Amino acid sequence: AQSVTQLGSHVSVSEGALVLLRCNYSSSVPPYLFWYVQYPNQGLQLLLKYTSAATLVKGINGFEAEFKKSETSFHLTKPSAHMSDAAEYFCAVSDRYGGSQGNLIFGKGTKLSVKP
Amino acid sequence: DGGITQSPKYLFRKEGQNVTLSCEQNLNHDAMYWYRQDPGQGLRLIYYSQIVNDFQKGDIAEGYSVSREKKESFPLTVTSAQKNPTAFYLCASRQGVNNEQFFGPGTRLTVL
Repeated sequence: AQSVTQLGSHVSVSEGALVLLRCNYSSSVPPYLFWYVQYPNQGLQLLLKYTSAATLVKGINGFEAEFKKSETSFHLTKPSAHMSDAAEYFCAVSDRYGGSQGNLIFGKGTKLSVKP
Repeated sequence: DGGITQSPKYLFRKEGQNVTLSCEQNLNHDAMYWYRQDPGQGLRLIYYSQIVNDFQKGDIAEGYSVSREKKESFPLTVTSAQKNPTAFYLCASRQGVNNEQFFGPGTRLTVL
């Protein structure tokens, strides 16, 4: 079965520093990949998604992620953290084929703290 | 504005009572989903529906039930059989197999 691993349940960075949130998936067939952000007591908002040949994906709020098939990874980065980036981030995968197409499998999430 | 609404935002229930959480979407999406979120657990799939009048169990369906009588509505009932129902519940919808899921604002259920 497909699985997603997010390394680090909590990440803390200083304002202006690089943000790197890690995500690895288990499938041998590259899946569709997504990053979502959640602010306290709110729903999830899509940051970006990978569904095509372009391996570097740009999203909202200055975030981007690079799909690396050889490493089965889809890490999320932002060059300079802002206080408003403090939230919980979820990586998710979806199979391209089969009966569970479109269903998302989520990682356990990474809480990002930004220090002034 | 198109989107997903969930009501109520906060819900309190006594042990032994069934409770129904509402989810409505006006995005004209075919697929709808219910997730449960607990701290440190990520999101876990309860039920999903890819078309009206049809739905499938997710990973943690025990103690829950759903219906999909209309395209825009997918209510979730938390029954008294659910052993630990206190959680944050999220509804989502999707159109197209490679498209993202759109999420509602969530309902926080607390069992007293």
